[in-house]
Amino acid sequence: KAGVTQTPRYLIKTRGQQVTLSCSPISGHRSVSWYQQTPGQGLQFLFEYFSETQRNKGNFPGRFSGRQFSNSRSEMNVSTLELGDSALYLCASNRGQSTDTQYFGPGTRLTVL
Amino acid sequence: AQSVTQLDSQVPVFEEAPVELRCNYSSSVSVYLFWYVQYPNQGLQLLLKYLSGSTLVESINGFEAEFNKSQTSFHLRKPSVHISDTAEYFCAVSEAVGSGGSNYKLTFGKGTLLTVNP
Repeated sequence: KAGVTQTPRYLIKTRGQQVTLSCSPISGHRSVSWYQQTPGQGLQFLFEYFSETQRNKGNFPGRFSGRQFSNSRSEMNVSTLELGDSALYLCASNRGQSTDTQYFGPGTRLTVL
Repeated sequence: AQSVTQLDSQVPVFEEAPVELRCNYSSSVSVYLFWYVQYPNQGLQLLLKYLSGSTLVESINGFEAEFNKSQTSFHLRKPSVHISDTAEYFCAVSEAVGSGGSNYKLTFGKGTLLTVNP
């Protein structure tokens, strides 16, 4: 079974630009979660999508948004990039139950200049 | 609100020494507990998890963790570490939201960087 894939793996943007990151979950998984990881703040939850609906949301500004398609693939968008948005963005998928393991992708490293 | 505290941000140890990475959580309801490991330049992967039954759970590479409900803890231990165990370790707590178990809240700790020195 193929794992969680994320594209692109690396991205360099400048302040004010916007960016879209993509995540393809493991086949059969209906839940996709997004996390931001930085050295200072650690792993922070952005949001979770389940069957095309945002089910849970973390404490991030509205510049961070996402969506999920009918095939469970998910995209995350960040508008008006700030220097502080530089981070590793991780996507994880599972079936959507509280007992499920999260299967993580390798992440997208975003650098904002 | 549910929170997960990993008491040590960094733990340096020598090879073949024992190690304990501490994790405490705050929740008044039934929870499921996980430890994930992140090797350099990789995503997180599951190390072990407690769902129910025996409070002592083990991983295939020699780690074990014990669920202590009264202490609300889920500490990770290994009796003898290897250089290859150098990684960041994350404790996570999952609790069901609402009825039916179809929605849940998953909270990660800030991580503990384990560095094993020769």
